[in-house]
Amino acid sequence: AQSVTQLDSQVPVFEEAPVELRCNYSSSVSVYLFWYVQYPNQGLQLLLKYLSGSTLVKGINGFEAEFNKSQTSFHLRKPSVHISDTAEYFCAVSEGGGGNKLTFGTGTQLKVEL
Amino acid sequence: GAGVSQSPSNKVTEKGKDVELRCDPISGHTALYWYRQSLGQGLEFLIYFQGNSAPDKSGLPSDRFSAERTGGSVSTLTIQRTQQEDSAVYLCASSSMPPDRSYEQYFGPGTRLTVT
Repeated sequence: AQSVTQLDSQVPVFEEAPVELRCNYSSSVSVYLFWYVQYPNQGLQLLLKYLSGSTLVKGINGFEAEFNKSQTSFHLRKPSVHISDTAEYFCAVSEGGGGNKLTFGTGTQLKVEL
Repeated sequence: GAGVSQSPSNKVTEKGKDVELRCDPISGHTALYWYRQSLGQGLEFLIYFQGNSAPDKSGLPSDRFSAERTGGSVSTLTIQRTQQEDSAVYLCASSSMPPDRSYEQYFGPGTRLTVT
């Protein structure tokens, strides 16, 4: 069975500062990895995904993530955050086969302050 | 184009009543998923439909939960004899796979269910 751990439930950061949101996963097979963002009272929006190939993945809104197989991690980064990045961020994993159903982490609330 | 839509956006029901939640996926998407987001359990998979195949019901928490997908499009999630622990936001997602193979799931805005 697969699982996802997001150790940080909340991350406060000042505007224009860099940020890293951590994600570790566990799976016995090869996985696909995703980061989703959820703004207040909205559904989930895909930020970026890793399926195969280059381990550095770039997504929307200036976010990027790096897949590290040896450390089973997929941390999300942004070099300079904006107030509008305040939201909850979910890391998710799927094993591709079996319908690609997603297993989510518990989420990290990113709060950007002036 | 139109995204995934869900109705109602909010539903308040009394304990013991049945409820139906509706999901309209993106046109042409063959895969449809239901997830539940609650304070205690986070985001969890409930059920998955792919084309005409038998649905994957492995995430349904009890036999009070059921879902159907008519004509390969609209889906309805039914919860019978609702309990307070069923209070959550129910999210629907759809995906085009194959042949797209992007593996991206597009989520609707959710239905917030409150059981009193």
